[in-house]
Amino acid sequence: NAGVMQNPRHLVRRRGQEARLRCSPMKGHSHVYWYRQLPEEGLKFMVYLQKENIIDESGMPKERFSAEFPKEGPSILRIQQVVRGDSAAYFCASSPAGRVNIQYFGAGTRLSVL
Amino acid sequence: GQQLNQSPQSMFIQEGEDVSMNCTSSSIFNTWLWYKQDPGEGPVLLIALYKAGELTSNGRLTAQFGITRKDSFLNISASIPSDVGIYFCAGQLTGANSKLTFGKGITLSVRP
Repeated sequence: NAGVMQNPRHLVRRRGQEARLRCSPMKGHSHVYWYRQLPEEGLKFMVYLQKENIIDESGMPKERFSAEFPKEGPSILRIQQVVRGDSAAYFCASSPAGRVNIQYFGAGTRLSVL
Repeated sequence: GQQLNQSPQSMFIQEGEDVSMNCTSSSIFNTWLWYKQDPGEGPVLLIALYKAGELTSNGRLTAQFGITRKDSFLNISASIPSDVGIYFCAGQLTGANSKLTFGKGITLSVRP
């Protein structure tokens, strides 16, 4: 049973470019969460999605960041016009319907902005 | 915003020793989770706690959900070198739409 799959594992972008981070939840999981981790910090919640719906985006920066979880395919976290401060590890987690209080994490995408 | 407090930032123990980590908050949580993160990897769930006072074990790990619902501890017994890593507590608030609040983590080092 495959776990939460994230790709790419590492992503390098120059300032002003777009970054697209992908997350495939565990099989049978319909809830996806995105978190950001800065060095020597805990994970900070960004957004919570179910299929085709954003449930809670209270942790998302208001500009340049967007997330989607389409009916088919992985969840995407998109960062437009990246800046150096966007450099971080971005983690995706998933949980099954009815058990949203337990989340399983992927290995993360490390974004470096040059 | 909500905060979970974990201290100290780092702990150093000898192989075979037991170690206990605490996590406190000013807010009430209805779920407590403990995760371990290795360098370059994502957090791996160790133990989940759902009820105040609950004591749960997973091998050499034991965790408890504080009766005030504002704290939790994780105990590792008979430590081994592979216990090295960063241990995070995470809590879920009632009615918080499932998002987790994380502590800053404790880095555990185990001397052989």
